[in-house]
Amino acid sequence: AQSVTQPDIHITVSEGASLELRCNYSYGATPYLFWYVQSPGQGLQLLLKYFSGDTLVQGIKGFEAEFKRSQSSFNLRKPSVHWSDAAEYFCAVGDFNKFYFGSGTKLNVKP
Amino acid sequence: DGGITQSPKYLFRKEGQNVTLSCEQNLNHDAMYWYRQDPGQGLRLIYYSQIVNDFQKGDIAEGYSVSREKKESFPLTVTSAQKNPTAFYLCASSTRGTSGSNEQFFGPGTRLTVL
Repeated sequence: AQSVTQPDIHITVSEGASLELRCNYSYGATPYLFWYVQSPGQGLQLLLKYFSGDTLVQGIKGFEAEFKRSQSSFNLRKPSVHWSDAAEYFCAVGDFNKFYFGSGTKLNVKP
Repeated sequence: DGGITQSPKYLFRKEGQNVTLSCEQNLNHDAMYWYRQDPGQGLRLIYYSQIVNDFQKGDIAEGYSVSREKKESFPLTVTSAQKNPTAFYLCASSTRGTSGSNEQFFGPGTRLTVL
């Protein structure tokens, strides 16, 4: 069965520090992978997506993610976090006409 | 501007009442979705529709109903049969696809509270 795991519920980083949010998926074929960001009380905004080709994908707001098939992972990274990055981040895998979302990682940014 | 609108932003309901959440999109998308979001549980799919006059149950459809009479609109009714309806509800839309590669666009959400 398809599933997405985000093992970190909360992460706190200092402003300017690097960030990595973990995502592991379970899927039987080539996955379509997405990262979304959600500010409190808002909808979700797409950060980036992976379909095929280059395993390192660039997104908006300076985010990138790397697809590693051998590890079934699609981790999100940012070299230098800004206070405005504080939000909740969701990883998702697309399957035919449905998405499966992870439970999310809440990012806090310390000044 | 193209996008998805959900109304109302906040909704209060008494126990035993049905309530309908609105979702409208002007992106010309064929597919629309309803998700429920609870703290620590991510997004769970309630219903989805790939085309007008057709819809399918998602993972947690019990106590909910939908209709898809128009391409732009996909209202969700939370019935009195839903045992724990207090949650944040998100509507999304996408182009129609069968591969899972179609990005979903989200509305701003409706927070439903049962009193």
